[in-house]
Amino acid sequence: GENVEQHPSTLSVQEGDSAVIKCTYSDSASNYFPWYKQELGKRPQLIIDIRSNVGEKKDQRIAVTLNKTAKHFSLHITETQPEDSAVYFCAASGTGRRALTFGSGTRLQVQP
Amino acid sequence: GAVVSQHPSWVICKSGTSVKIECRSLDFQATTMFWYRQFPKQSLMLMATSNEGSKATYEQGVEKDKFLINHASLTLSTLTVTSAHPEDSSFYICSARIAGGQNTGELFFGEGSRLTVL
Repeated sequence: GENVEQHPSTLSVQEGDSAVIKCTYSDSASNYFPWYKQELGKRPQLIIDIRSNVGEKKDQRIAVTLNKTAKHFSLHITETQPEDSAVYFCAASGTGRRALTFGSGTRLQVQP
Repeated sequence: GAVVSQHPSWVICKSGTSVKIECRSLDFQATTMFWYRQFPKQSLMLMATSNEGSKATYEQGVEKDKFLINHASLTLSTLTVTSAHPEDSSFYICSARIAGGQNTGELFFGEGSRLTVL
């Protein structure tokens, strides 16, 4: 089955700096790669996703890049703000009936 | 966007009792729903895939007789934790994809149910 590895496990940045979180996956059949933000006790919230036919996607301060050959994808947050502090999870799957496999999570702390 | 509702949001029960958690897709049909479990400071781990009208598929290490899953309609899946013990205390989250041609791959999550077994 799919295996997703995520680094780093914790990340502390100063407000206004950029944050980068990286993930690798094992199943070459995976074609959908979402990123979630989870606050304590809440459900994961989709912040951005990318599909395997695209190499990069951007939404305001958030961007995701995908390297299918190397089987890795990354989340980039620019101009970080204290409200970006949360746990971020990457995930991978195919479509249809396949479930998402999640990375281990990154606790991001943005220092004001 | 699509909405998944999960109930109850939290439950406290005594050891040995059973607890049922409901997961509903409110504005779309879901032939498949996924149940995840999340222990404190850990990731979401898939427990089982719930298929409408057929038996659920359980992940390795998840006891099917302890975690009963029923997916009787295209909008409702239930997870029953039978004979709950303190080690079953966790955050249980259901999720679903839109069935058919509108399936983009995105999973929609319920609010989660925090189970505490005393």
